[in-house]
Amino acid sequence: GIQVEQSPPDLILQEGANSTLRCNFSDSVNNLQWFHQNPWGQLINLFYIPSGTKQNGRLSATTVATERYSLLYISSSQTTDSGVYFCAVSSLIYNQGGKLIFGQGTELSVKP
Amino acid sequence: ETGVTQSPTHLIKTRGQQVTLRCSSQSGHNTVSWYQQALGQGPQFIFQYYREEENGRGNFPPRFSGLQFPNYSSELNVNALELDDSALYLCASSLALAGGQETQYFGPGTRLLVL
Repeated sequence: GIQVEQSPPDLILQEGANSTLRCNFSDSVNNLQWFHQNPWGQLINLFYIPSGTKQNGRLSATTVATERYSLLYISSSQTTDSGVYFCAVSSLIYNQGGKLIFGQGTELSVKP
Repeated sequence: ETGVTQSPTHLIKTRGQQVTLRCSSQSGHNTVSWYQQALGQGPQFIFQYYREEENGRGNFPPRFSGLQFPNYSSELNVNALELDDSALYLCASSLALAGGQETQYFGPGTRLLVL
């Protein structure tokens, strides 16, 4: 099946700094989503981005499907950005159109 | 627009017992997926239901079973609970289209502790 790797596993930032999180996947995907999991466990949708670039406020994401990676950019980080960021993909090739496969996550800590 | 809801929020059971977790999907969605998230791990796919039929299953034993109702709400049942079943159980709803799945939206989860 498809493999998803996220880097870095942990990241500590000072408030106001910028960061880039990376997600590599091993095969073609028809769905790629970025999530932020808050301390209470809620997975919050950030982007649905199987290809291309999207922006939402201080966050933006780019997926280069042909090179099998996606990047999540966080600018001017705030303490409320702390938590775990997950990349998840699904692939029709493996008849897994509905199954999201998650990476191990990047744990972000933003210090005041 | 109503989001995805799950109940209960927390649950404590003992080994060998059975548990039922519930999920109400977002309005307009026809597909529900269940995931198990162990501490420090990413969520793992359990199964998905589309129009009341199981539509894909992950690597979980048969004691994990589910149902989807005509209103697209869903239940996850786990029999003969084991200590390793302690986890956060997440439900996600989505709208399945002819071209594939749209965005999956997650509920707040149910934290299950098996003693």
